[in-house]
Amino acid sequence: AQKITQTQPGMFVQEKEAVTLDCTYDTSDQSYGLFWYKQPSSGEMIFLIYQGSYDEQNATEGRYSLNFQKARKSANLVISASQLGDSAMYFCAMREGLDSGTYKYIFGTGTRLKVLA
Amino acid sequence: DTEVTQTPKHLVMGMTNKKSLKCEQHMGHRAMYWYKQKAKKPPELMFVYSYEKLSINESVPSRFSPECPNSSLLNLHLHALQPEDSALYLCASSQGPRTGGVGSNQPQHFGDGTRLSIL
Repeated sequence: AQKITQTQPGMFVQEKEAVTLDCTYDTSDQSYGLFWYKQPSSGEMIFLIYQGSYDEQNATEGRYSLNFQKARKSANLVISASQLGDSAMYFCAMREGLDSGTYKYIFGTGTRLKVLA
Repeated sequence: DTEVTQTPKHLVMGMTNKKSLKCEQHMGHRAMYWYKQKAKKPPELMFVYSYEKLSINESVPSRFSPECPNSSLLNLHLHALQPEDSALYLCASSQGPRTGGVGSNQPQHFGDGTRLSIL
């Protein structure tokens, strides 16, 4: 069963507009972490933002914010004021197994974002 | 510049060759990872080392052999690869399981990857 689901294979957004990238997850762990990464066409994976399962407030990092709805098991990424340089693949990832002390990161299938001038 | 350094950036090898991919980090991280990524796909976990010991092997074929000589270095030895092994190989590191609390921010830091082509 898919543990991280990103239902939007591709998205377009106009420059300076906000965009939301969807992510839902599935885990039976009580302790887990959720991450978003950006991967430009050059290939490097860039960490953007993190949300812990016990964090009560939504995480924010500059233009990035994470809309965390624990009961719905969703962790959507919101990018405000989109820039041309935001065009990239975006991956949602989950770190589970914190309770056992041996954990791994699981990635969703990604959303390719294209920012239009 | 990334804090995780991978070499080489590109590698072309024949199916009978033996080569190694190298990864180095100096952030004091005690968990290191190898991923394989095909074009337009998410990274697939291959191996996890935790405190220099192999903790996860995701049923990777034996033609891939990982090695962690010390806490800063991670190698991936390649032998008798197949054309379908052509991919981007990403190394990553993070704080070990024993550091940080449940709520600690422990992202993985990735290298730029090695683009491997098997002829």
